[in-house]
Amino acid sequence: DAKTTQPTSMDCAEGRAANLPCNHSTISGNEYVYWYRQIHSQGPQYIIHGLKNNETNEMASLIITEDRKSSTLILPHATLRDTAVYYCIVRGYGGATNKLIFGTGTLLAVQP
Amino acid sequence: DTGVSQNPRHKITKRGQNVTFRCDPISEHNRLYWYRQTLGQGPEFLTYFQNEAQLEKSRLLSDRFSAERPKGSFSTLEIQRTEQGDSAMYLCASSLGPGTGGETQYFGPGTRLLVL
Repeated sequence: DAKTTQPTSMDCAEGRAANLPCNHSTISGNEYVYWYRQIHSQGPQYIIHGLKNNETNEMASLIITEDRKSSTLILPHATLRDTAVYYCIVRGYGGATNKLIFGTGTLLAVQP
Repeated sequence: DTGVSQNPRHKITKRGQNVTFRCDPISEHNRLYWYRQTLGQGPEFLTYFQNEAQLEKSRLLSDRFSAERPKGSFSTLEIQRTEQGDSAMYLCASSLGPGTGGETQYFGPGTRLLVL
């Protein structure tokens, strides 16, 4: 079972910031938070990941709460091409399993 | 820099036929994963290779499914005696591991299978 909880869907106006929340209250100390997105009929696309500190790259920012029980993915200026299903995944590092466990994600609809 | 490639992109077959899919990972990536995705669901893990060794298999991988990575480069996933329930998107991902700072899997475009 997925270890994360995300809203089923969200809307965002084009040009505005999209803030996608994720709860991972059972996260353990060696687990990273990963975000992927999947545009219709394509393979999942890696966005960003983090352990404790906030992270930023050319696509997005990841804000992780101090207790690490939740996080927010921020797309600073959403465009229509950002319409996709966004998956938040927690994954251990160095353990026996390396698989990603996907939930059903958040469908982000960017409106013109 | 080429990403993960998968062939074919689409496959239509009749129930009972065998099908084989190919995945070419990002060069130098030693880890390769197969996932399956049905409509409205997130991808589900099937199996994982480190180099040529198959290290983990999901319960989803019935005895009709077999995966290989003979030289630690490309991989094939074969489904024998296909059933309508095998209709899905089959996704391949690769990564470079182990390493510091987490291990990122990069996905291919998928092979969409329809079993009639």
